[in-house]
Amino acid sequence: DQQVKQNSPSLSVQEGRISILNCDYTNSMFDYFLWYKKYPAEGPTFLISISSIKDKNEDGRFTVFLNKSAKHLSLHIVPSQPGDSAVYFCAALGGSNYKLTFGKGTLLTVNP
Amino acid sequence: GAGVSQTPSNKVTEKGKYVELRCDPISGHTALYWYRQSLGQGPEFLIYFQGTGAADDSGLPNDRFFAVRPEGSVSTLKIQRTERGDSAVYLCASSLMAGAGEAFFGQGTRLTVV
Repeated sequence: DQQVKQNSPSLSVQEGRISILNCDYTNSMFDYFLWYKKYPAEGPTFLISISSIKDKNEDGRFTVFLNKSAKHLSLHIVPSQPGDSAVYFCAALGGSNYKLTFGKGTLLTVNP
Repeated sequence: GAGVSQTPSNKVTEKGKYVELRCDPISGHTALYWYRQSLGQGPEFLIYFQGTGAADDSGLPNDRFFAVRPEGSVSTLKIQRTERGDSAVYLCASSLMAGAGEAFFGQGTRLTVV
């Protein structure tokens, strides 16, 4: 039973356009959400996070939006760059403050 | 080192053999985690250490899996009587302390059991 769901296995966008990656969760105990980026043969790298007391967090080209009532979050990348091509994982913390629950990931391809 | 280091990068072993996977966390990080990523899945939690002690080992799949962190720094994940289903990428991560924001991951050890 997946508690964090990334329903799009892949996404392809043109360079310069916006990339929107979606994530849904089912566990109401989750109160902190993170996005990780993973290149092949490397470990996941932290990208951006958001606490459940906020609905938006922005860091440069990356913005995460949280809709608690819908149990939905999204990562916006604008403008997208070819170097953003990677697998993006949504992860959640809650109950414990150390056990990350990950989604299956979305492979983003940014075409030049 | 600057980041989390895992050795070996790749390990191929025969079914039934014993393997050890090593993790060198970021210096000063007291919290250490092991995750397992199977093909097409996200990382799944295995065990969490705070200092030398395993604070939560609820993610270990069975008693063939064991992990230690005797001096509160390097950790070793040990798998006995390996099975083909153990094939996965084993990821180690560390953080300054639990709940201190993001964890930093190593590059992983790809274990293949043949």
